[in-house]
Amino acid sequence: SQKIEQNSEALNIQEGKTATLTCNYTNYSPAYLQWYRQDPGRGPVFLLLIRENEKEKRKERLKVTFDTTLKQSLFHITASQPADSATYLCALPTGSSNTGKLIFGQGTTLQVKP
Amino acid sequence: NAGVMQNPRHLVRRRGQEARLRCSPMKGHSHVYWYRQLPEEGLKFMVYLQKENIIDESGMPKERFSAEFPKEGPSILRIQQVVRGDSAAYFCASSPPMTATDTQYFGPGTRLTVL
Repeated sequence: SQKIEQNSEALNIQEGKTATLTCNYTNYSPAYLQWYRQDPGRGPVFLLLIRENEKEKRKERLKVTFDTTLKQSLFHITASQPADSATYLCALPTGSSNTGKLIFGQGTTLQVKP
Repeated sequence: NAGVMQNPRHLVRRRGQEARLRCSPMKGHSHVYWYRQLPEEGLKFMVYLQKENIIDESGMPKERFSAEFPKEGPSILRIQQVVRGDSAAYFCASSPPMTATDTQYFGPGTRLTVL
């Protein structure tokens, strides 16, 4: 079955630097991959979706890459700010049919220090 | 446009009681998903519903758990005879029709504590 691995250790960086988070999956390459942000005590918030035929996608200070050969997605936040501190989740569709069922990684907690 | 709404936000039950969690999807959304997040663990898919239909319940425990999404009203996740291991945050998400493969919009969650 599909498994997702995200770095469970918290990532601590200085404000203004670029944060890079990794998402690795173990089985088949999905049709798309999503990144969500989750703040303590709140539900996940969708950030970006990248499809298997896209190598890179950008949204403001966010950039996502998708390497189906390495079975990996990288999530970058440039010019990071303390407000970017949160847990970031990687999610893939799973199941044989197009059900929209998602499997989530455990998330990586980012702490941006001023 | 109101987002996904869940209530109650916090629910305390004693072992053996029933828990009913409600989810109102975003306006115009006809797909609802329920996920469970245990402490220090990731989100786990439980069930996917459309109006009056259960599409995929492969993540739902076979006993004590049930879900529905009636023609009128919110989606309900029902847990009978709760046990301490049911303590978790339960999130509902919704998506528009015909785009089940894309963005899911999550509610704030219901935090269930079983004493």
